[in-house]
Amino acid sequence: GQQVQQSPASLVLQEGENAELQCNFSTSLNSMQWFYQRPGGSLVSLFYNPSGTKHSGRLTSTTVIKERRSSLHISSSQTTDSGTYLCALVNNAGAKLTFGGGTRLTVRP
Amino acid sequence: EAAVTQSPRNKVAVTGGKVTLSCNQTNNHNNMYWYRQDTGHGLRLIHYSYGAGSTEKGDIPDGYKASRPSQENFSLILELATPSQTSVYFCASGDHWGGETLYFGSGTRLTVL
Repeated sequence: GQQVQQSPASLVLQEGENAELQCNFSTSLNSMQWFYQRPGGSLVSLFYNPSGTKHSGRLTSTTVIKERRSSLHISSSQTTDSGTYLCALVNNAGAKLTFGGGTRLTVRP
Repeated sequence: EAAVTQSPRNKVAVTGGKVTLSCNQTNNHNNMYWYRQDTGHGLRLIHYSYGAGSTEKGDIPDGYKASRPSQENFSLILELATPSQTSVYFCASGDHWGGETLYFGSGTRLTVL
């Protein structure tokens, strides 16, 4: 089965609302990364977070290894946050990244 | 910021034809990757490389070859393109094995008719 599952698959928010994106993984973890993909565009790394909590502006990433999950919290969403958010894990068997299916976020004005 | 450049941006090929997708990175990263992205499958790893002269199979290598002639360049080759290879292809580079941040190119949209 899929090693990395993201939820929800899609999410629509009004500007100013908060969002919580989830990533669950079924294999042992070496590291977890979160990426943002612009609509129709490339991917940008947001966080490298193997465990614990990290902050970057309005974004917070929390990885709990023993529960095999990672989350991305977006506070006070803006229309420019719209796009797809992808998590990717690097497992202990090697350093290849395995991506989840992504969460497509739409923030309406 | 690392720069990863892919070419072409768009490509239309015929079934059975040969297609070469090119990737160039200017930050002297050791590791380079080729992914494809399809609706319902996310990004899947096709081939990757640890450095010049090395290529490794990823999760879905069938129907693809890769070439890393130099530190900067990593190509993906479809010897006999099929319609199932219609997809968006992304190249990425990175440096610290096991915990690296990847830098992605802008993608190549390939359509095989």
